[in-house]
Amino acid sequence: DTGVSQDPRHKITKRGQNVTFRCDPISEHNRLYWYRQTLGQGPEFLTYFQNEAQLEKSRLLSDRFSAERPKGSFSTLEIQRTEQGDSAMYLCASSLVEGRETQYFGPGTRLLVL
Amino acid sequence: AQTVTQSQPEMSVQEAETVTLSCTYDTSESDYYLFWYKQPPSRQMILVIRQEAYKQQNATENRFSVNFQKAAKSFSLKISDSQLGDAAMYFCAYAHPGYALNFGKGTSLLVTP
Repeated sequence: DTGVSQDPRHKITKRGQNVTFRCDPISEHNRLYWYRQTLGQGPEFLTYFQNEAQLEKSRLLSDRFSAERPKGSFSTLEIQRTEQGDSAMYLCASSLVEGRETQYFGPGTRLLVL
Repeated sequence: AQTVTQSQPEMSVQEAETVTLSCTYDTSESDYYLFWYKQPPSRQMILVIRQEAYKQQNATENRFSVNFQKAAKSFSLKISDSQLGDAAMYFCAYAHPGYALNFGKGTSLLVTP
């Protein structure tokens, strides 16, 4: 069990550019969640997958955001035309369907949009 | 709306002492899970303790224990024999089965020697 990993750990980009983040969940976990955390706040839910199916999306997930989990393993989160308000920590978590709802978090990707 | 309230933005405790972090939540559902997560500075979120709402017995994990008051929708975390490594942001969260976590804004815990 290597834990949840995320790549990159840090990303600096200019406003208007596209960015993509990757999350690799714990290998046997079939649920994968994306959260966003801004300074001084708790994480806020963005979207989640069960296997390859995207089951729920938050209102926070504007049209500029898209997430995929093509083979039910790793997931990507893409932000198009980044804005300064997108600057945040993007957290990924995974869990087992029958795992009593415990989610295990990755280290996060810190995004700074200049 | 489903909310989690942590009324203490910051708390301080001396090493070896005990501290209690408060959390209240609001849900109309009867089936849910409650969690405390710890987030050290620049490090990842880790689970401290969890509680199933249907269980009356309070969960304990070594020096960490909870006081779960279902009727009052209260879920406080007690840290006994505090250690310097306990310094972190602590987040209270709950989730209904199959849904995402709802987090509070966190309590920053400072541990002084």
